[in-house]
Amino acid sequence: KQEVTQIPAALSVPEGENLVLNCSFTDSAIYNLQWFRQDPGKGLTSLLLIQSSQREQTSGRLNASLDKSSGRSTLYIAASQPGDSATYLCAVRPRSGGSNYKLTFGKGTLLTVNP
Amino acid sequence: GAGVSQSPSNKVTEKGKDVELRCDPISGHTALYWYRQSLGQGLEFLIYFQGNSAPDKSGLPSDRFSAERTGGSVSTLTIQRTQQEDSAVYLCASSPYGISSGANVLTFGAGSRLTVL
Repeated sequence: KQEVTQIPAALSVPEGENLVLNCSFTDSAIYNLQWFRQDPGKGLTSLLLIQSSQREQTSGRLNASLDKSSGRSTLYIAASQPGDSATYLCAVRPRSGGSNYKLTFGKGTLLTVNP
Repeated sequence: GAGVSQSPSNKVTEKGKDVELRCDPISGHTALYWYRQSLGQGLEFLIYFQGNSAPDKSGLPSDRFSAERTGGSVSTLTIQRTQQEDSAVYLCASSPYGISSGANVLTFGAGSRLTVL
């Protein structure tokens, strides 16, 4: 059974810092990995999706990397801003099998960027 | 619509009552998913629709939970005889393709927060 772990559970940083959020998964047979952002009382917003054949994806100040063999992904946020404060979730889609539509989510990292 | 719409956004009910949660996916999206987010827990898969069919209902926690989708569009999640442990945020997502697409990005709604007293 796939398990996804996110460390740290919470992180507080001053504005302007670069930071890294970590995601690990136990089963490397994945189709892709997706990073989401969730604001309080809101749904999930997709940030980046990395296919299993890819090593990284970039969008603006965000960079996500994937090391499938070691079961790890990182989300790098450059020059953090207070508006980045949110919960960040990673989710993996299994590669094969009859249930490859099921995403397995981590519990998230609660990020607070202080002005 | 422009996004996935869910209603109600908040629902407070008494134990034992039935509730219905509605999801209106993005127009044209063939796949629809329900997830549950309990306090301190990760998102838990409930059910997946492809068109009006639900190939996988295995995530539904008990037979008090049911879901349907009509016209390949709106979906309703029904919880009968609600219990306090049903309290959670119920999130709906839709995607334009079925399971065969690797770039199948899910768009989530804002969720329905259910509180069972």
